[in-house]
Amino acid sequence: KNQVEQSPQSLIILEGKNCTLQCNYTVSPFSNLRWYKQDTGRGPVSLTIMTFSENTKSNGRYTATLDADTKQSSLHITASQLSDSASYICVVSGKAAGNKLTFGGGTRVLVKP
Amino acid sequence: GAGVSQSPSNKVTEKGKDVELRCDPISGHTALYWYRQSLGQGLEFLIYFQGNSAPDKSGLPSDRFSAERTGGSVSTLTIQRTQQEDSAVYLCASSLSGGQGAFSYNEQFFGPGTRLTVL
Repeated sequence: KNQVEQSPQSLIILEGKNCTLQCNYTVSPFSNLRWYKQDTGRGPVSLTIMTFSENTKSNGRYTATLDADTKQSSLHITASQLSDSASYICVVSGKAAGNKLTFGGGTRVLVKP
Repeated sequence: GAGVSQSPSNKVTEKGKDVELRCDPISGHTALYWYRQSLGQGLEFLIYFQGNSAPDKSGLPSDRFSAERTGGSVSTLTIQRTQQEDSAVYLCASSLSGGQGAFSYNEQFFGPGTRLTVL
């Protein structure tokens, strides 16, 4: 069964600090991996999309890494801001028909002043 | 341009009633998806529409759930005889195209969701 596991479940950091979120997946065959940010009461918004050939991709202060061999990804947030408080969801797309996505349970990040 | 919109934003209903949730995808997007997000849980795939093809209904949890997409644009998710366990946020997403291979790279844009509460 395709699974996406994220850790930690929740995280509290001080404003200005860095943090790293982890994602392990078993989806195979693999097409691409996405990180989404979901603010409370909103739909998820895409941060990065990576195919198996990409090792790293940045979007401002967000940097995602991918190791397709070990089926692991990380999302690094640099110099966190209060607006970074949200849930971060790792989503993996397999090559099966229909572009069906497998969602991780998310990591809830709280940035405190 | 406008993003994906959903209505209503909140819906409170009594157990046993039917509800209809609406999704307006981004204009020109041929693929449309419905997901369910229960409290503290990850998103759960429900159904996928791609153009005029038969929808992928493999994620629908029971025959009380159905969805249609008229004219390749607006979609309606219907839940009949609602149960308390149906309480969740129902999210709709659209993308330029779905499918396999290169098209599976297409980003899905999500709506704000409809929060359904079944009393």
